[in-house]
Amino acid sequence: GQQLNQSPQSMFIQEGEDVSMNCTSSSIFNTWLWYKQDPGEGPVLLIALYKAGELTSNGRLTAQFGITRKDSFLNISASIPSDVGIYFCAGQLGNTDKLIFGTGTRLQVFP
Amino acid sequence: DTGVSQDPRHKITKRGQNVTFRCDPISEHNRLYWYRQTLGQGPEFLTYFQNEAQLEKSRLLSDRFSAERPKGSFSTLEIQRTEQGDSAMYLCASSIVLGLFYGYTFGSGTRLTVV
Repeated sequence: GQQLNQSPQSMFIQEGEDVSMNCTSSSIFNTWLWYKQDPGEGPVLLIALYKAGELTSNGRLTAQFGITRKDSFLNISASIPSDVGIYFCAGQLGNTDKLIFGTGTRLQVFP
Repeated sequence: DTGVSQDPRHKITKRGQNVTFRCDPISEHNRLYWYRQTLGQGPEFLTYFQNEAQLEKSRLLSDRFSAERPKGSFSTLEIQRTEQGDSAMYLCASSIVLGLFYGYTFGSGTRLTVV
């Protein structure tokens, strides 16, 4: 099935560092979403973006909907150990509720 | 508990057996989705329902797979004659449609291992 290109694939950072990850697609999306998944659990929604160019924050997380509507990035500032997990971008196609997910970025935070 | 509930959490089955998973969505949500996630990948869409109507099915949902949502409440996903390639995490999610798309709430998933 179709998956979005997400980079980097994995990141190993020190607590307190900032993190940036992005997601690109060959398709235009109406909505971009970012999810976090912990081992053995389902993904949890972090941020939803609805307009090209939109910049949205949720605590230490900031995400942007790319101008071309084909990309998005997520920044995490001042990382903490509980930020560990896999981060997925997802795009909503057309008028359906179907989401296309990225391949994930695995984040490890060391004290 | 007001989240999406999936049962069982884990299922080990022998190749060729049939399995059925259940999903109870958030009670006021009218849309319910099934996704499959294999190791190291993001979730992939299988099918979704609005109330009891199945609105879309992916090509990933072969003839061995069937999903139902009787009465528009809980849903079941059945896999007949399981194959080793069916081993994956099966995720259920629900949402409510109120104009803007607010994304889904996922359950914790059912991890299927076919041996």
